[in-house]
This record gives sequence, structure tokens and C-alpha cells, in this order.
Amino acid sequence: EADIYQTPRYLVIGTGKKITLECSQTMGHDKMYWYQQDPGMELHLIHYSYGVNSTEKGDLSSESTVSRIRTEHFPLTLESARPSHTSQYLCASRPGQTNSPLHFGNGTRLTVT
Amino acid sequence: DQQVKQNSPSLSVQEGRISILNCDYTNSMFDYFLWYKKYPAEGPTFLISISSIKDKNEDGRFTVFLNKSAKHLSLHIVPSQPGDSAVYFCAARLTGNQFYFGTGTSLTVIP
Repeated sequence: EADIYQTPRYLVIGTGKKITLECSQTMGHDKMYWYQQDPGMELHLIHYSYGVNSTEKGDLSSESTVSRIRTEHFPLTLESARPSHTSQYLCASRPGQTNSPLHFGNGTRLTVT
Repeated sequence: DQQVKQNSPSLSVQEGRISILNCDYTNSMFDYFLWYKKYPAEGPTFLISISSIKDKNEDGRFTVFLNKSAKHLSLHIVPSQPGDSAVYFCAARLTGNQFYFGTGTSLTVIP
């Protein structure tokens, strides 16, 4: 069973606040991902990383940023939260082998009021 | 434009019968396909996958079929159990590392 942890599970915050969503994995996976999902919609890739000091933006335009200073840690930061950021944020990781699945954390449900 | 499509938002099946979930894709460069199961307030859980060089992969009650000419993927669950009730997502990977997901099908297995 994959060990990937996201905190907080739920967050309600006011507009304009800076927030960081935490994601850590204990499997030594090189590749990590952040997805955003709204109810009834597909998961949209917002950021990914292939290793330490490597980060890329995904297909979904996002006002968030990420960092990858350590293999196990891939936090996502919103500098100024807005109601449009209300969503579920899912972190995932996978090892370097070609055909390996994504392993997901339980997500952070963010509500911006 | 959405590259992975699940056209059935919901499906209801009697316990013990077969559940068939379908997925269509548009990009012929996808080389790896996966199915995930998701319960409310949890992250998706990996179920089963298939490489583009195969047309079938089986794992217990779960079988995935791939029809490359039709760009179609399906998941069969036999026999269906009430605990299988969840949202099922199909996903496809472009050569490399980017994964694309469908919108999900909500499966209800009726006892």
C-alpha cells in the first residue's frame, strides 16, 4: 500500500490568505504530481516534478506554485487565495519505472470564502 | 478538449452481476491505461492497468479490455459486490509522464 500523506484534509480560509498544502511520501518516488478536481469533473494536472529541484506546470492554468527541495516533500502554495480556488487538491507520486501507476493521497478539500 | 471520456455518469447493477464501465480516448499516442476507484472524501485508489501492447489484463474480479482500433477501454467487475459502489475513473498516459483522466462513472451495486 502506497504511503502518501496530505495535510490538512479540510481547510476553510478567507480570500487573500496565503496557504500551503502539504504532501509527503515515504516510498522514495521520484515523480510527484498535483491534481485539482471539482465534483463530476476530471482530474486536472496543475504541477508535476520528476525529481529534486525539478518542477513543471501542468495543463491547467494555476496561480499556485510548488517546490521540490527533498524527494519526499512536494508542497503547493497559493499566495492569495480566491473563491475560484475552492476545489479538491490531490497529490500523487509514482516510481521511475515505465509502467507504474500513480498513488494518490486522500486529498485536501479547500474552501475559500 | 477532453482526451479521455467516460460518457456514462452513473451505472446501477445488481449484486452478483457483471458491471461494465466504459472509457473512450482520442489520442493514439497513449501507451498505458489505468482504472481507479474513488470513495467520497478519499483519494483515488489504483485498481488495474494495461499496456497498449496488450488487449486484456485480469486481476481477480477485475478485467480491463483495450481495443486500440476503437480507442476504447472497458473495466469488467464480476461478480459485483456492494463494496464496489464508488466512482471509477479511467486514465491514460502519454509516452512520458503525463496522465489524463476521465470524469468518472458512479457505480452503485444494489444488494
